[in-house]
Amino acid sequence: GQQLNQSPQSMFIQEGEDVSMNCTSSSIFNTWLWYKQDPGEGPVLLIALYKAGELTSNGRLTAQFGITRKDSFLNISASIPSDVGIYFCAGHRAGTASKLTFGTGTRLQVTL
Amino acid sequence: DAGVIQSPRHEVTEMGQEVTLRCKPISGHDYLFWYRQTMMRGLELLIYFNNNVPIDDSGMPEDRFSAKMPNASFSTLKIQPSEPRDSAVYFCASTPVRGVTGELFFGEGSRLTVL
Repeated sequence: GQQLNQSPQSMFIQEGEDVSMNCTSSSIFNTWLWYKQDPGEGPVLLIALYKAGELTSNGRLTAQFGITRKDSFLNISASIPSDVGIYFCAGHRAGTASKLTFGTGTRLQVTL
Repeated sequence: DAGVIQSPRHEVTEMGQEVTLRCKPISGHDYLFWYRQTMMRGLELLIYFNNNVPIDDSGMPEDRFSAKMPNASFSTLKIQPSEPRDSAVYFCASTPVRGVTGELFFGEGSRLTVL
């Protein structure tokens, strides 16, 4: 099935650094979501975005819904070791219940 | 509150054997989803239910896969016969009716290895 293009695929950063990742699609979504998956666990919702241009924060996380509705960005400020994991974007189209299209994931490693 | 509960957490089986994965969604959630995660293909939606009724099974790989939801608190995903290429982590997720915007609650997954 279709997947969203997510970049970068992986990141190795030092504790305290800021992180940016993005997700693009060839088609429009009505909702963009960002999930985080810890090793050995299921994905957990971090942020949901419902309107084009929307900028939403959750602690050190900030995400934006692109104006074209075909992309989204996630920023993490002042990274800490527990930020390690895989970050997935997901898009949802109206009228498809909760059927999501997931991105390919960005694997984040944080070094001390 | 209890989250989505999946069992078993790990399953190792031999090719040709039947595998049954189980899921208990969050109480009150009317939608239940089965996903498969592999390195090559990422997270793939296999099937989802609304009020125990299968709505979209277009992601089920082939006839060897089947899923049931006999009641609101239980679902199974069965693979018969299993093949090595079925090795993956299988996730169950649920969401309430009002959550039609994609806010899924995932279980911890069942890691399947078919030898």
